[in-house]
Amino acid sequence: AQSVAQPEDQVNVAEGNPLTVKCTYSVSGNPYLFWYVQYPNRGLQFLLKYITGDNLVKGSYGFEAEFNKSQTSFHLKKPSALVSDSALYFCAVRDIGSNTGKLIFGQGTTLQVKP
Amino acid sequence: GAGVSQTPSNKVTEKGKYVELRCDPISGHTALYWYRQSLGQGPEFLIYFQGTGAADDSGLPNDRFFAVRPEGSVSTLKIQRTERGDSAVYLCASSPQRGEWETQYFGPGTRLLVL
Repeated sequence: AQSVAQPEDQVNVAEGNPLTVKCTYSVSGNPYLFWYVQYPNRGLQFLLKYITGDNLVKGSYGFEAEFNKSQTSFHLKKPSALVSDSALYFCAVRDIGSNTGKLIFGQGTTLQVKP
Repeated sequence: GAGVSQTPSNKVTEKGKYVELRCDPISGHTALYWYRQSLGQGPEFLIYFQGTGAADDSGLPNDRFFAVRPEGSVSTLKIQRTERGDSAVYLCASSPQRGEWETQYFGPGTRLLVL
């Protein structure tokens, strides 16, 4: 069965420093991977996705993610964090076993960027 | 353009009551998904519609939960005999079609509290 793990409940980083939010996955075939961000009392906003091609995927708000097949990881990164990046981040994988495209989410990582 | 909208934004009900949650997907999107997000967790899949039909309802927790999409646009999630354990944020998402690479766009959610 497909699954996603986000090993860190919270990541703290100082404004201006690079940030990384970790995600590992387990799938039986080629993964389709997604990152979403959730601000308080808001729905999930799409950041980026990996389907195929370049391992480095660029997304919204200066975020990027690196797909690493050998390590089964899809870590979210940003070169210089902003206080406004503070939010809850979810990694998700498409359930390839079904034909519906439903997403399987990790438990989320809270990113705290301090001024 | 308009995103996915959900009403009500908050719903407080008493144990045993019936509730309906509404989702308006992005215009033209044929695929519609419902997810449930419990406190401190990632969203969990409930049901998927392609057009008017429920193509996958494997995530519905029991027969108290039901959803419809009679005209292939607006969807309503219905919960009978609500229980305190049903308290969660119910998220709706839509995508242009079912393709595995398609991005799902989420609404702001309905926060349900069962007293």
